[in-house]
Amino acid sequence: GAGVSQSPSNKVTEKGKDVELRCDPISGHTALYWYRQSLGQGLEFLIYFQGNSAPDKSGLPSDRFSAERTGGSVSTLTIQRTQQEDSAVYLCASSQTGATEAFFGQGTRLTVV
Amino acid sequence: AQSVAQPEDQVNVAEGNPLTVKCTYSVSGNPYLFWYVQYPNRGLQFLLKYITGDNLVKGSYGFEAEFNKSQTSFHLKKPSALVSDSALYFCAVRDGGRAGNNRKLIWGLGTSLAVNP
Repeated sequence: GAGVSQSPSNKVTEKGKDVELRCDPISGHTALYWYRQSLGQGLEFLIYFQGNSAPDKSGLPSDRFSAERTGGSVSTLTIQRTQQEDSAVYLCASSQTGATEAFFGQGTRLTVV
Repeated sequence: AQSVAQPEDQVNVAEGNPLTVKCTYSVSGNPYLFWYVQYPNRGLQFLLKYITGDNLVKGSYGFEAEFNKSQTSFHLKKPSALVSDSALYFCAVRDGGRAGNNRKLIWGLGTSLAVNP
């Protein structure tokens, strides 16, 4: 596609429910990143994919968070048993092999009530 | 540890005047430095980067940034501000000296730029 696409754009869920967030990167981009943006806290790195493997998943805040990427393309971020502190904007970005700058989607705003 | 500081939460400037948004960083190796802009209800957009070479880098929308190694700074500048430049600006750093698998960016908290007509 023309840009990084994320869905849904907004998600309201009840505490304790599981959610799945989807990211469709720019075609041909091998690297994919997930970040979390909380109010007043800037962007927090979650996980990085190169192809289908995740060399760096050091930012995942707990074992309730997981992510996968299939076919070197679409990625899903899953949050199990959501908590109110999970409320944030989840941003996905992708970049070409060897490129240093990444291109971001518009994010998924997750609200846990 | 890697870190980025944007010392100003908000910058106000009159249209037509020069603007500066400050950023300082800390990394153990060579810094890869980035500026991104976030307009209301829109995603982050890449503005410019410094990897190596000339200390003054030029980017999108007339923005430029100067890498200063001795001061560990990478301030964003524009000679003449436009009202449409009003947005949230983020500085980010990556340690270019680390293994290729470590590509995560460390981000500042952002600076809100308001350009007044």
